[in-house]
Amino acid sequence: QVQLQESGPGLVKPSQTLSLTCTVSGGSISSEGYYWSWVRQHPGKGLEWIGYIYDIGNPYYNPSLKSRLTISVDTSKNQFSLKLSTMTAADTAVYYCAMVRGLTGLDDFFASWGQGTLVTVSA
Amino acid sequence: SYELTQPPSVSVSPGQTATITCSGDKLGNKYACWYQQRPGQSPVLVISQDTNRPSGIPERFSGSNSGNTATLTISETQAMDEADYYCQAWDSSSVVFGGGTRLTVL
Repeated sequence: QVQLQESGPGLVKPSQTLSLTCTVSGGSISSEGYYWSWVRQHPGKGLEWIGYIYDIGNPYYNPSLKSRLTISVDTSKNQFSLKLSTMTAADTAVYYCAMVRGLTGLDDFFASWGQGTLVTVSA
Repeated sequence: SYELTQPPSVSVSPGQTATITCSGDKLGNKYACWYQQRPGQSPVLVISQDTNRPSGIPERFSGSNSGNTATLTISETQAMDEADYYCQAWDSSSVVFGGGTRLTVL
C-alpha cells in the first residue's frame, strides 16, 4: 500500500519561500494511472486544492496560487515537491500531499493522503 | 470559478440515516466524490465516481448525483461516523472541494 510523508519546516518567516517534499513509499511515483497533488487546510477550515503534477512533469496549479507556486517531481527519489513564495500569515495551514487515481480526468479522485504537516508563518 | 456548496452541519441520532448534500451548477453532469475527515486525521475517500465505495468503506455509505446536487447517505449511523465530510469535483482540470459538513451523531 502506497504511503506518503510530507517533510519540511514547521515555521516560515513572512516573505520567505516554503519548500515541502512528499516522499512516496510502497510504490513508484511513476505508476501508471496515478499522479500527485498538494492540498492545504487552514486552521479550522476546509480543504483547498493547491496543485498537481504527473511523473513526467506538466503541473497544474490553483489559479489563486499560480503566481507563487512551483510543483516539481523527482522520479529518481520517488518524491515530489512544493515551493510557495512570498509567504504570509494567510498561508498558515496544514499541508497535505496526496496520490490521485487518474481515470478519465473527469472522475479522478484522491486515493491516499499523507498525514499532513502544519506550516506556521510568523516572524 | 466553479463552487460546491455544503451545509455547515448535519445532526443525526445513532442508528438513523444521515444525508449530506453538495450543490453545484449542473453537478450531475460531473462526477462527485466524498471524503471523511475525523478530528486530527487526514481525509479518507469514502465515495468515488458518484456511487463507488472503496474497499474497506462500510456498506452503510452510499452516494448519488443528479441535477445540481450530489448526496452522501450514511445509513444506520454510528458514533464513529462523526466527522467532517467534503465533496469534490473537477472543473476544467481544476479540483474543487466543497466547504465541508460537520456530521454530529447525538
